[in-house]
Amino acid sequence: GENVEQHPSTLSVQEGDSAVIKCTYSDSASNYFPWYKQELGKRPQLIIDIRSNVGEKKDQRIAVTLNKTAKHFSLHITETQPEDSAVYFCAASKGTGNTGKLIFGQGTTLQVKP
Amino acid sequence: DGGITQSPKYLFRKEGQNVTLSCEQNLNHDAMYWYRQDPGQGLRLIYYSQIVNDFQKGDIAEGYSVSREKKESFPLTVTSAQKNPTAFYLCASSISVQGYGNTIYFGEGSWLTVV
Repeated sequence: GENVEQHPSTLSVQEGDSAVIKCTYSDSASNYFPWYKQELGKRPQLIIDIRSNVGEKKDQRIAVTLNKTAKHFSLHITETQPEDSAVYFCAASKGTGNTGKLIFGQGTTLQVKP
Repeated sequence: DGGITQSPKYLFRKEGQNVTLSCEQNLNHDAMYWYRQDPGQGLRLIYYSQIVNDFQKGDIAEGYSVSREKKESFPLTVTSAQKNPTAFYLCASSISVQGYGNTIYFGEGSWLTVV
C-alpha cells in the first residue's frame, strides 16, 4: 500500500529564517498532497495542498513543490515566526474509489526560536 | 472545521472496559474517518465510512468498532480487545472518499487514557 515518509522529524530555526520539510511517497498514482499544521493538543488544520497537475503552489509565506518523477513534495515556510511552531504533517492520496483516503507522514515538529 | 464535534474531550478507561467516542458533523459530508495519533507516529487510520450503513477497516482496526446509522454521526467504540488504547483520537470528514483531492477536516480530538 501507499507509504509516506517525512523528514526531518524535528526542525529548529531562528525567527526570520526559512524552513523546509520534505516528504516522499511510494504510490505513483497518488495525485493529491495536502499539508496540515497541528498545534499542541489541537486538531490538524489544512494549510496548503497541491494536486498532481501543478508543480508549485504558494500562499503568502507558505509554498509547496511537487516532483512527480522523484515522487516527493516539500513544504517551504519563509520568514518564519514563533507562531509557526507546531507539528506539520504531509499526506498523499489517489483520490479515486475507496482508495481516496489520506495516508499521513510521521510529522515534523518545527520550533521557531525568537 | 467547526462543523465536527467530538465528545468527550477527555476519557478514562478501566481495564476490560469498552468506551465509545462520539463524532457528529453538520457539514453534510458523505465520508467520515477515525484516526489515532500517538507521539512520533503521525496519524493512523482506524476506520472510514463512505456512506450511511457502510464502513471499511483502516490500517489499525483491530480492537475497534464503528457504526454509521446516520450521515451526521460516526461513533467509535474502543473495545477491551484493544490492548494499548491510550492515545489521541481524531474524527474527520470530507465531502466524499471518492473524487479528486478531497479535503479532510478534523474534529478537536478526544484524549483516551487507560487507568
